[in-house]
Amino acid sequence: DAGITQSPRHKVTETGTPVTLRCHQTENHRYMYWYRQDPGHGLRLIHYSYGVKDTDKGEVSDGYSVSRSKTEDFLLTLESATSSQTSVYFCAIRDYSYEQYFGPGTRLTVT
Amino acid sequence: AQRVTQPEKLLSVFKGAPVELKCNYSYSGSPELFWYVQYSRQRLQLLLRHISRESIKGFTADLNKGETSFHLKKPFAQEEDSAMYYCALTTGAGNMLTFGGGTRLMVKP
Repeated sequence: DAGITQSPRHKVTETGTPVTLRCHQTENHRYMYWYRQDPGHGLRLIHYSYGVKDTDKGEVSDGYSVSRSKTEDFLLTLESATSSQTSVYFCAIRDYSYEQYFGPGTRLTVT
Repeated sequence: AQRVTQPEKLLSVFKGAPVELKCNYSYSGSPELFWYVQYSRQRLQLLLRHISRESIKGFTADLNKGETSFHLKKPFAQEEDSAMYYCALTTGAGNMLTFGGGTRLMVKP
C-alpha cells in the first residue's frame, strides 16, 4: 500500500468546529496531495505540497488549509467545518515515475 | 482549464460480455491519461496509464487525440471487475490529477 496512512479513518464533528486530518508517508516522496471524493464529482484536488513548507491550492481549496512541517506528514485542516465538507478525503503521494498512490481515505461527517 | 468527462455513472453488464467505459477529455496540450479503479472498501489504485501501453487485468485503453478520448475496454467482463472506475489526466504542472466523475461497473453473473 505504498506506505501511506491516514488518520483518523472516520470522524463525526459538529458544524463550526476545527478538524485536522493527517496523512503520513514512509516513502520520502516530495509531492503529496489532498483530494475529496463526492458522488458525481469524482476526486477533486484541495491542496498539494511539493516539499516541506511548500504548498499550493487546488481546485476546491476554500475553507481548507494545509501544513507540511516535515517530509512524511501532510496535514489538512478544516478551519470551521460546514456540512458541505462532509466527504471522503484521500491523501496521495507521487513517486519518481509520476504515479500517484492513494491512502485509505478518511470519512468525515459534519452534523 | 482541463476537464475529464465520464458520461456513464453506472454500467451494468453480464459476465463474459465486452465492456467499454468511456472517457473524454478537454485540454489543448498533450496530457497524460490514467485509469484508476476503486474496489469496494479499498483505496484507489492505478489500473493503467497510456504511456505504458500495458494491459492490466485484461483491460486496455487507447488514447485517441483526434477524438480526445481514452476509453477503457475489456473483451470479457468478470464479476471481480465490479468496481468504481475513474479516468484522470495530468498536464504536468504539479502533476495534479484531474478526475472524471467516475463510472460504477457492475458485472452480473
